[in-house]
Formats: sequence, C-alpha cells, structure tokens
Amino acid sequence: KAGVTQTPRYLIKTRGQQVTLSCSPISGHRSVSWYQQTPGQGLQFLFEYFSETQRNKGNFPGRFSGRQFSNSRSEMNVSTLELGDSALYLCASSRDGANEKLFFGSGTQLSVL
Amino acid sequence: QKEVEQDPGPLSVPEGAIVSLNCTYSNSAFQYFMWYRQYSRKGPELLMYTYSSGNKEDGRFTAQVDKSSKYISLFIRDSQPSDSATYLCAMSAHTGANSKLTFGKGITLSVRP
Repeated sequence: KAGVTQTPRYLIKTRGQQVTLSCSPISGHRSVSWYQQTPGQGLQFLFEYFSETQRNKGNFPGRFSGRQFSNSRSEMNVSTLELGDSALYLCASSRDGANEKLFFGSGTQLSVL
Repeated sequence: QKEVEQDPGPLSVPEGAIVSLNCTYSNSAFQYFMWYRQYSRKGPELLMYTYSSGNKEDGRFTAQVDKSSKYISLFIRDSQPSDSATYLCAMSAHTGANSKLTFGKGITLSVRP
C-alpha cells in the first residue's frame, strides 16, 4: 500500500512569490492535515481537510490556504512568501479524521530567499 | 508557557542503554498521547499511542502517562543505533472532528555503537 506522497520534495522560492504544495494521501484515507516544521517552533498545525471541507484551522495568517479534491488529494498554497516561511511542510492522512493516528509524508522542504 | 514542553536535547547514549524521554503539558483536557519517531529527511511515524493514564508496552518501547502530574514518558530498552532519530511527543483533547495534535519540539537521540 503506497504511503503519503508529497511533491515536490524540495522547493526554492524568493520573497513575494507564491507556492503550491501537493499531497496524495493513503488510499481510502479521507482526512488530510498539514503541518509546518521549523527548528525553532517544531511542528505546528496549519489545517485539516475532511471530505473536501476544511474542518480545523491553526493560527497561521490568511496567506496560508489549502483545499482538498474529491479524490482526497490536497494542495496547500502560500502567497506572498516571507523569509520566515522557510520550513518543512508535512502532510498527514488518516482514515476517518482520527488525528491521533496520522500517517505522514516525507514533506516538502521550502526555502525562501 | 507552551502547551507541550519537551526536553530539548540532544541526547547521546551508548548502545544497550535505557533511554528515558519526557514531555510535560499544561492543558488538562489532553486525553490522547502519542510518540512519533522522525528519521532524518523523513516525516514522523507513529511509534506509540495511549489513551488517558497508564502504561503501554510494545517490544523495547514503553509509554507512560501520568495525567495527575501532566507528564508523559517514553522508555527505550536495549537501545540500538537504529533508534537514532528525533522523538516527538504529541497530544490531543479530542478524536475525530475538531481534533488536532499539539506536538513537542522533539528531542534528537543518538545511540553510539
């Protein structure tokens, strides 16, 4: 069974640009969550989607947005990139939205120059 | 005060040692407690999951939760070089809809052969 797939693996952008990250959950999983991981703040929750609806949201500015498609694949978008957005962005899926048993992808390492 | 505090590390031990990793938390609503292991350039993987107080054992790993002290621990017996990774504690108050995980910052463990 394929795991959670995130693309691209690495990304380099400049300040002011926007970026879209993609996540394909494990087959049969309907919940997709996004987390930002930095050395200073650790793992921080961005948002969770379940059956194409955003069900929960963390404390990030509106520049961070996401969506989920009917096949459960998800994308997150960051507009007007700032240097502080440099981080590992992790996607996690679960079958029924039980967030205590998440399966994570390997992440997208975003560097903002 | 952060909701979840984890010893910052790093921690280096010889092969065969018993390792104790700890987290404290402030939110008394947390009921679900997890330990994730993250290898370099990979996403976190669920290692242990416990509900409420008590102990849970899985092979060389034991998770312990003391809700009265708001303290959780992960013990690794007979540590191996393959245990070298970052360990993150995580917790949530609910399961399913409106649940989200709050993570500790993680501690990097190195097991020396």
